[in-house]
Amino acid sequence: EPEVTQTPSHQVTQMGQEVILRCVPISNHLYFYWYRQILGQKVEFLVSFYNNEISEKSEIFDDQFSVERPDGSNFTLKIRSTKLEDSAMYFCASTVSSRELFFGEGSRLTVL
Amino acid sequence: GENVEQHPSTLSVQEGDSAVIKCTYSDSASNYFPWYKQELGKGPQLIIDIRSNVGEKKDQRIAVTLNKTAKHFSLHITETQPEDSAVYFCAAQKGSGGSNYKLTFGKGTLLTVNP
Repeated sequence: EPEVTQTPSHQVTQMGQEVILRCVPISNHLYFYWYRQILGQKVEFLVSFYNNEISEKSEIFDDQFSVERPDGSNFTLKIRSTKLEDSAMYFCASTVSSRELFFGEGSRLTVL
Repeated sequence: GENVEQHPSTLSVQEGDSAVIKCTYSDSASNYFPWYKQELGKGPQLIIDIRSNVGEKKDQRIAVTLNKTAKHFSLHITETQPEDSAVYFCAAQKGSGGSNYKLTFGKGTLLTVNP
């Protein structure tokens, strides 16, 4: 069964460092998303991406965040200068055109 | 924007009992309500969903009900089994396609089914 894969599963970084989280969506999917979940809190929408551009972004997705689909298969989330409050589980999701989002297993980011 | 509240935050039941999780939403324009199950170390997985033109939907031991007037929807699991133990998230969505598939999630319910 096709699945969304994310790497790394866990990354520890120092405050101020750049982090790139990688996702490989399901191959025929067209819409891509990043969500995050701070420990004990809700899963929150960050950004949606379609046709090589951002469709919508939340207030959380400020200038420190960027997304890219560099090669037609990977979908990356970059945090330019990490802050303590960026520590969270980051989920990538994709869909073809139905409403069902397929989520990856997440990348846990710990900022020290 | 949309706000989704979910209760209870934790729920413990005996195997074979039923479990009910309730959610409310704030935006009357929301028209799609999925439920996701998240097992330890995994991403959320869709288990059932309901659209606003339907009041109830059932899939084997799982059912979802929707009350548009009251803006609440519920997940019902009957004959619970230990493998039902997980975190369950409700979500709400408005829009008809593509980039509008942004989901607003509830805070999650940790369901424990005791053998």
